[in-house]
Amino acid sequence: QQQVKQSPQSLIVQKGGISIINCAYENTAFDYFPWYQQFPGKGPALLIAIRPDVSEKKEGRFTISFNKSAKQFSLHIMDSQPGDSATYFCAASIRNNNDMRFGAGTRLTVKP
Amino acid sequence: NAGVTQTPKFQVLKTGQSMTLQCAQDMNHNSMYWYRQDPGMGLRLIYYSASEGTTDKGEVPNGYNVSRLNKREFSLRLESAAPSQTYVYFCASSRQGGSPLHFGNGTRLTVT
Repeated sequence: QQQVKQSPQSLIVQKGGISIINCAYENTAFDYFPWYQQFPGKGPALLIAIRPDVSEKKEGRFTISFNKSAKQFSLHIMDSQPGDSATYFCAASIRNNNDMRFGAGTRLTVKP
Repeated sequence: NAGVTQTPKFQVLKTGQSMTLQCAQDMNHNSMYWYRQDPGMGLRLIYYSASEGTTDKGEVPNGYNVSRLNKREFSLRLESAAPSQTYVYFCASSRQGGSPLHFGNGTRLTVT
């Protein structure tokens, strides 16, 4: 039973377009929501994270939108570039708890 | 600054063989983790160690054992490998539970 559901499984976007990946969670105790980026042959690396006291966080071209009432959060990549082609994972955990749960991942391809 | 180092990078085992995957971090992190990457299921937590001297089961612990050798090192052992354990295994560390994870580059294990 996945506690964090991620969609879509794969996404193809043209260069310059907006990439949107969505996640939904069940456990209302979750209070830390990171996104990780993984390139082939590498481990996931933290991209951006949000806590539920804010509805949006932006870092450069990457934005997390958070909807606490709907138990959903999403990653928006503006002006997508071929270098953004990677697998993206959303995750969720509880403060001071070591059990971080991951979504199934989204393989993003940005076409030049 | 190496971060999280995993050895070996690749391994092929026959069914029933045993092996230990090694992991070391140089960030003075308290918590360490072993995840496996399931195609279509994302990253699933096998075991974690919240601090030196403690270990706890994650979501998928069956068939695995772990040892927190010291603050830097956390190993994962497969006592009798099975083809169903063919995955990429990732070690990660964090300052504490609920804080960002830092991943190694993985061990690709194939069991025939």
